[in-house]
Amino acid sequence: DGGITQSPKYLFRKEGQNVTLSCEQNLNHDAMYWYRQDPGQGLRLIYYSQIVNDFQKGDIAEGYSVSREKKESFPLTVTSAQKNPTAFYLCASSIPYRGREAFFGQGTRLTVV
Amino acid sequence: GESVGLHLPTLSVQEGDNSIINCAYSNSASDYFIWYKQESGKGPQFIIDIRSNMDKRQGQRVTVLLNKTVKHLSLQIAATQPGDSAVYFCAEVDNAGGTSYGKLTFGQGTILTVHP
Repeated sequence: DGGITQSPKYLFRKEGQNVTLSCEQNLNHDAMYWYRQDPGQGLRLIYYSQIVNDFQKGDIAEGYSVSREKKESFPLTVTSAQKNPTAFYLCASSIPYRGREAFFGQGTRLTVV
Repeated sequence: GESVGLHLPTLSVQEGDNSIINCAYSNSASDYFIWYKQESGKGPQFIIDIRSNMDKRQGQRVTVLLNKTVKHLSLQIAATQPGDSAVYFCAEVDNAGGTSYGKLTFGQGTILTVHP
């Protein structure tokens, strides 16, 4: 079945450590996105990529980094520079410039302990 | 800056009733408006969208209405079922420069609870 997979579902990290969240899709979509969701809030865009080897900062990119070496994969690294990393992270993919048809993964809940 | 917001944070209805979820937006340049449904612990699911040049669009049991005069968006769910219980987000697609690169601006969300 085609879809978008995030792993792990739950992740715990100690303060000061970097952690990488995985996002894989087999929908053959060129565009991929990372969003952050805080309790009771909407989604905020962290980074997006319209094509392999290219990505752009979203609204809240500070403290995060990404790579897009393969079409299927768009991993997100939460660095120690992110002051408040505890959140629900959502990855999405879509046909480029058709963000209204984005498909979302099931999310990774990151907790800093 | 531009934002999309919701009037009501929670909505409780009885099974079989019709539900109306409201949303106010401020970016008059948005090209699309979208409603998403998010169940607990899951990613958002696309429900329905509407282009800015339309007033109404219907789907299966759902209708979205767009009032550009007052910058208001609503989602109507007919014959609401317990399975409709979720958080509903409205979102707008940034169309700056004539491209839509997927920058969805989300509102705060409305929690819909359907009682049997």
